[in-house]
Amino acid sequence: DAGVIQSPRHEVTEMGQEVTLRCKPISGHNSLFWYRQTMMRGLELLIYFNNNVPIDDSGMPEDRFSAKMPNASFSTLKIQPSEPRDSAVYFCASSNGGAGNQPQHFGDGTRLSIL
Amino acid sequence: AQSVTQLGSHVSVSEGALVLLRCNYSSSVPPYLFWYVQYPNQGLQLLLKYTTGATLVKGINGFEAEFKKSETSFHLTKPSAHMSDAAEYFCAVSNDYKLSFGAGTTVTVRA
Repeated sequence: DAGVIQSPRHEVTEMGQEVTLRCKPISGHNSLFWYRQTMMRGLELLIYFNNNVPIDDSGMPEDRFSAKMPNASFSTLKIQPSEPRDSAVYFCASSNGGAGNQPQHFGDGTRLSIL
Repeated sequence: AQSVTQLGSHVSVSEGALVLLRCNYSSSVPPYLFWYVQYPNQGLQLLLKYTTGATLVKGINGFEAEFKKSETSFHLTKPSAHMSDAAEYFCAVSNDYKLSFGAGTTVTVRA
């Protein structure tokens, strides 16, 4: 079975450029999560979608970050304009339902470097 | 509010020795508890979970964990370490959709 698929795996771009990260959740999962992982702050939840609707975006750092889920099989996380402090590994995860007892399944992440 | 504390950011074990990773949690309601493993340049992979029922939970790759409510702990063990167990391990707690992760414990295995 296909897991969560993220693209690109690596992204290097210059400060000020727009960055778009993509995620395809596991088929049939109706909950989708975007996380950011850094050495300093560990794993942080950025945004949570349930049935394509954003439920909790309290972790989105600032207005430069936006996320969309136009359908059940695709989500994007966009940073515009990007800054060096946005450099991190960004993970997408999906689960079958939003209840706490459902494990989240993670993609392999996008390693983002902003120069 | 919920949180997780993992004791020890680095653990080094000899191949064949016991692996013990400590996790304590705080939660205002009965928690759901998870252990995930992360190999270099990969995402997090579920090792095991506790939701309800039996407090000793068995997972993949020979790992198991025991939920102890009185100690608010969920320690992860494996009787005999293998070189392939070298990775970072995360304990996590949730009681709704939100997972709260510990800071992680990096395991190295000595030949």
